Order: sequence, then C-alpha cells, then structure tokens
Amino acid sequence: SQTIHQWPATLVQPVGSPLSLECTVEGTSNPNLYWYRQAAGRGLQLLFYSVGIGQISSEVPQNLSASRPQDRQFILSSKKLLLSDSGFYLCAWSGGRGELFFGEGSRLTVL
Amino acid sequence: AQSVTQLGSHVSVSEGALVLLRCNYSSSVPPYLFWYVQYPNQGLQLLLKYTSAATLVKGINGFEAEFKKSETSFHLTKPSAHMSDAAEYFCAVSEDNYGQNFVFGPGTRLSVLP
Repeated sequence: SQTIHQWPATLVQPVGSPLSLECTVEGTSNPNLYWYRQAAGRGLQLLFYSVGIGQISSEVPQNLSASRPQDRQFILSSKKLLLSDSGFYLCAWSGGRGELFFGEGSRLTVL
Repeated sequence: AQSVTQLGSHVSVSEGALVLLRCNYSSSVPPYLFWYVQYPNQGLQLLLKYTSAATLVKGINGFEAEFKKSETSFHLTKPSAHMSDAAEYFCAVSEDNYGQNFVFGPGTRLSVLP
C-alpha cells in the first residue's frame, strides 16, 4: 500500500533562518506531488506541485521554493523565513485516480 | 474557474443527532467531488469521493454524501453524530483525475456536544 511521510512534524525557527521540509512517498511510482499551507484561520493554499523529477510549478509567488530530486521525494525550502511563513504545511500526492492523499503535516512557527 | 462554498464555518450538533454539512460547487464540466476530514494537528483524510457513478456515495465512519447536479450540491451527512466526529471537514472539487486542479472549500468545523 502507498504511504506518505513528512518531517519534521514541528519546527520553531527564528526570522531570517533557512527552512527545509521533506516529504517522501512509498508504494507508488511517478506520483504528482504537492505542497499546501494552512495559515491560522485560513483555508488550504496550494504552494507548489510537481509532475516529475525536476519539474516544479509554483502557484503563489513568495520566498519559498520546492525541489524534487527523486521520483518520490519533495522538499520545501526557504533561504530566509518571514513571520508570515508560519503555518501548517501539508504534502500530498495523487496517482491518477482523482483524489489527493495527505501527509501528517509539519507545523512551522517563525519567531 | 471552479469554486466551492461551505455554508457555516462552524456547526454544532448533539451526540446522536443528525450531521449535515453543506457544500456547493461551481464547475463548467462534470466534476469529481470529495470530502476530507482533518483532526487537530493532522493531515487531511479522505472521507469519500464522487466520480460520476452512483449519486449517493458512502464513505468511512458512517458518512455519506449525495451528488445533486441540479443544485450543484454535495452535502455530507451522518445519521448519528459521535464525539469522535468532532473535526474540520473540507469539501473539494476537481475537473480531472490528476489532482492538479483541486479546489478546496474553506472548511466547516464540527463540534459534537455531549
């Protein structure tokens, strides 16, 4: 069966520090991969999606970036965090059956 | 462009009462429709999905939803609420089965009162 994991689960970082959130999928090949963000009191915002290795589409201009170095690995990064980057980050994958499958989430607090 | 509205950002029901969470969508083509549940500090879990088969869709945990094309609705129901149903529920629509064009509603927080 397919599984998706993301880490770290919780992260507290100072403003201006770098960020790296990692997501991996197991049990499937060539998945579409997604990064979403939930800010407090707001809905789900699609940040990036990828249809293959090295292929990244950005939905929202910001100081975040994403990379897909391997088929089942998706990384969300920032060189310098802002206070507004705080939120709950969710990785997801889809495999052509329509639905998205989500990871456990990573809560980022920027101080 | 697709859009999803969920009437009521917060719904409270008593334990054992009917749960009804409303979802309306706009889509120019026959859509795929989904309901997800999110417990605090967790990811989203798929409850059920409609993909143009039966209009009444049964999901996990006793939930079901009915697709009504004439009303562009996909309301979620459960006959008898349980305390463990307290969570946030998201309706979503997609116009394809690749996941790239998902649009989520704003979510409805369900509280279950003892």
